[in-house]
Amino acid sequence: RKEVEQDPGPFNVPEGATVAFNCTYSNSASQSFFWYRQDCRKEPKLLMSVYSSGNEDGRFTAQLNRASQYISLLIRDSKLSDSATYLCVVKGAGYSTLTFGKGTMLLVSP
Amino acid sequence: DAGITQSPRYKITETGRQVTLMCHQTWSHSYMFWYRQDLGHGLRLIYYSAAADITDKGEVPDGYVVSRSKTENFPLTLESATRSQTSVYFCASSPKGYGANEQFFGPGTRLTVL
Repeated sequence: RKEVEQDPGPFNVPEGATVAFNCTYSNSASQSFFWYRQDCRKEPKLLMSVYSSGNEDGRFTAQLNRASQYISLLIRDSKLSDSATYLCVVKGAGYSTLTFGKGTMLLVSP
Repeated sequence: DAGITQSPRYKITETGRQVTLMCHQTWSHSYMFWYRQDLGHGLRLIYYSAAADITDKGEVPDGYVVSRSKTENFPLTLESATRSQTSVYFCASSPKGYGANEQFFGPGTRLTVL
């Protein structure tokens, strides 16, 4: 089983739609969770961290369920500029490296 | 300008040649990383470094060598390039203190091995 698994893509949605990405992780000792965004042929960039209580940043909402080892990202009112690949990222305790999911591509059309 | 840079941005080489990819950061971040990104695999860690003269293997280190004599530089060498090493290589850095919670990536090097 892969350490971090994401929904296969691509997701094709119209502008204004709400879209949800799901992610599961296998290591129950994982401590920190993130969503990164990667535009086509560009480097990944941190979108947001994911906290146990859930957190929101504008149109983006991230949720974490430690019991189910499940992470989600909700994007409301999708914009054309949201088109990108979204990477689910997990980190262990203390100093440890990041483990990236393969990513889910989102295509927002007019 | 401050940031993390990679060179070259594009490289075509032949099987068996030695290739060195350069990574330079101006933030004085303690941690530096090398990843490769391939279709169907996502980002995979090759090597990382917690500080100058401290390096460690990641998930896919075979065929690669790294060094870190200065904090700001972290070159990656393919000692004898193979076609399976055709990939996009990303360097990243992270400040000390939060155990590399957020990593800042360079623009990538697209390497083709013929």
